[in-house]
Amino acid sequence: NAGVMQNPRHLVRRRGQEARLRCSPMKGHSHVYWYRQLPEEGLKFMVYLQKENIIDESGMPKERFSAEFPKEGPSILRIQQVVRGDSAAYFCASAVSIVEEQYFGPGTRLTVT
Amino acid sequence: GQQLNQSPQSMFIQEGEDVSMNCTSSSIFNTWLWYKQDPGEGPVLLIALYKAGELTSNGRLTAQFGITRKDSFLNISASIPSDVGIYFCAGPSPNTGNQFYFGTGTSLTVIP
Repeated sequence: NAGVMQNPRHLVRRRGQEARLRCSPMKGHSHVYWYRQLPEEGLKFMVYLQKENIIDESGMPKERFSAEFPKEGPSILRIQQVVRGDSAAYFCASAVSIVEEQYFGPGTRLTVT
Repeated sequence: GQQLNQSPQSMFIQEGEDVSMNCTSSSIFNTWLWYKQDPGEGPVLLIALYKAGELTSNGRLTAQFGITRKDSFLNISASIPSDVGIYFCAGPSPNTGNQFYFGTGTSLTVIP
């Protein structure tokens, strides 16, 4: 049973470009969470999605950031017009249900130059 | 937002020693999770606790769900070099359960 998969593992973007981060949850998991982690800090919740629905996006900036989890395919976190402050590690986690444990992917390290 | 405070912030111990760390919250949590994160990797789930007072073991790791439901403890016995990493406590939002809050982390260094 494959774990949570994220790609790319490393992404370099220039200021103003778009960044697309992908997350494939574990088989049988329909709940996906995205987190951001800055160096030397803990993980900060961004958004929680179920298939085709955004359940809670209270941790995600209102502008430039969006997330989706389509019926088919991976969940996507999209950052438009990236700025240097967006440089961080972005992790996704999946779960069987809202009350079950979350399992994390290896993360995508975004560097904005 | 919810704050989960972990202590100590960092620990330097000799191989073979036991380790204790804790996590406290200003609000009651119904679930406590403990994760370990290695450099450059995602957090890995170690132990999940669902009931106040619960004591659960996973190999050399033992975690407890505090009676007040505002704290949790993680112990590692007979530490080995591969225990090095950052340990995070986490729990679902007491209000909605939608988002998980993560603690500030305890960095563990094991000296061979």
